[in-house]
Amino acid sequence: AQSVAQPEDQVNVAEGNPLTVKCTYSVSGNPYLFWYVQYPNRGLQFLLKYITGDNLVKGSYGFEAEFNKSQTSFHLKKPSALVSDSALYFCAVRDLNAGNMLTFGGGTRLMVKP
Amino acid sequence: DGGITQSPKYLFRKEGQNVTLSCEQNLNHDAMYWYRQDPGQGLRLIYYSQIVNDFQKGDIAEGYSVSREKKESFPLTVTSAQKNPTAFYLCAARPSENTGELFFGEGSRLTVL
Repeated sequence: AQSVAQPEDQVNVAEGNPLTVKCTYSVSGNPYLFWYVQYPNRGLQFLLKYITGDNLVKGSYGFEAEFNKSQTSFHLKKPSALVSDSALYFCAVRDLNAGNMLTFGGGTRLMVKP
Repeated sequence: DGGITQSPKYLFRKEGQNVTLSCEQNLNHDAMYWYRQDPGQGLRLIYYSQIVNDFQKGDIAEGYSVSREKKESFPLTVTSAQKNPTAFYLCAARPSENTGELFFGEGSRLTVL
């Protein structure tokens, strides 16, 4: 069965510093990986995805993620955090060998302080 | 604007009442999904539909029902059998290709009084 782990419930960074939100996954085949962001009382917004190709994927709002097959990780990164980046971030994985369903991690709350 | 519209945004219900949450999309996507989100937890799949007139149970389908009579619409009914219905409900849609991401509505917050 496929699974996603976001080991940190919350990540705190200072504005202007780089940020990393961690995600590890487990699938039986090749993974399709996604990151979403959620602001309070709103739906999830798509940030970026890895399907195949370059391990470094660039997405919306200056975010990027690095796919690491050997470590089964897909960490979300941004070189310089903004206060407006404060939100809830979800990693998700789709395994075509597991009914093509999307499995979400538990979410990580990012707090960027001025 | 293209997208997914959920209504109502906020809903209060008394115990023992059924309520229906609306989800409409104009993206022409084949697949639609309902998720439940509780504080401190990730999203849990309630029901999904990959084609009109067909739907499948997700991980937590008990106490919920859905229909998919039109491609654009995927309403969710929270029945009185759902023991703990207070939650944030999210509807999503996805194109048929496997690489497609989910597009989410703005959510409906249900509170049982």
